[in-house]
Amino acid sequence: RKEVEQDPGPFNVPEGATVAFNCTYSNSASQSFFWYRQDCRKEPKLLMSVYSSGNEDGRFTAQLNRASQYISLLIRDSKLSDSATYLCVVNGRNFNKFYFGSGTKLNVKP
Amino acid sequence: DTAVSQTPKYLVTQMGNDKSIKCEQNLGHDTMYWYKQDSKKFLKIMFSYNNKELIINETVPNRFSPKSPDKAHLNLHINSLELGDSAVYFCASSQQLNEKLFFGSGTQLSVL
Repeated sequence: RKEVEQDPGPFNVPEGATVAFNCTYSNSASQSFFWYRQDCRKEPKLLMSVYSSGNEDGRFTAQLNRASQYISLLIRDSKLSDSATYLCVVNGRNFNKFYFGSGTKLNVKP
Repeated sequence: DTAVSQTPKYLVTQMGNDKSIKCEQNLGHDTMYWYKQDSKKFLKIMFSYNNKELIINETVPNRFSPKSPDKAHLNLHINSLELGDSAVYFCASSQQLNEKLFFGSGTQLSVL
């Protein structure tokens, strides 16, 4: 079983839509969770950390569900510029190591 | 100033050659990493150094040898390149182990 799993998508949504992605992880002892964004042919960039109580940054909301071992990312009022691949990142059995999901591709259409 | 910089951006070479990729960070971070992103876009850790000491060495062929002359630099040398080494290699750094990662812009390696 993979450490981190994501639906690869693509999610094709119109501008202004609300879209949500989930990511499941296998190690119940994981402590650190992040969402990264990767544009085509670019490096991953930190979008937001995910905290136990959930957190929000503008149009983006991240949630952690430890019981079911998943994290989620909600994007409200989607913009064309939100089109990218969203990577879920979790630390694994070796807490010095991060595991990346394969990413969920989002296409926001006019 | 670029926080994490790696060179070259593109590297095209023949099978069997030896090549190096350099990485430098000016963030004052203690930990640096090399990740490999394959054609399926899956990012996988290769190596991690903390204060110049090797912390993580994944099951990477020993043709790959990282070197950290100081904590701001982590270079990657690859011997006897193979077709399967073609990928994008990302350098990254974090303040300490297990903290958020900052990535370089990547080196696209193509082995012909």
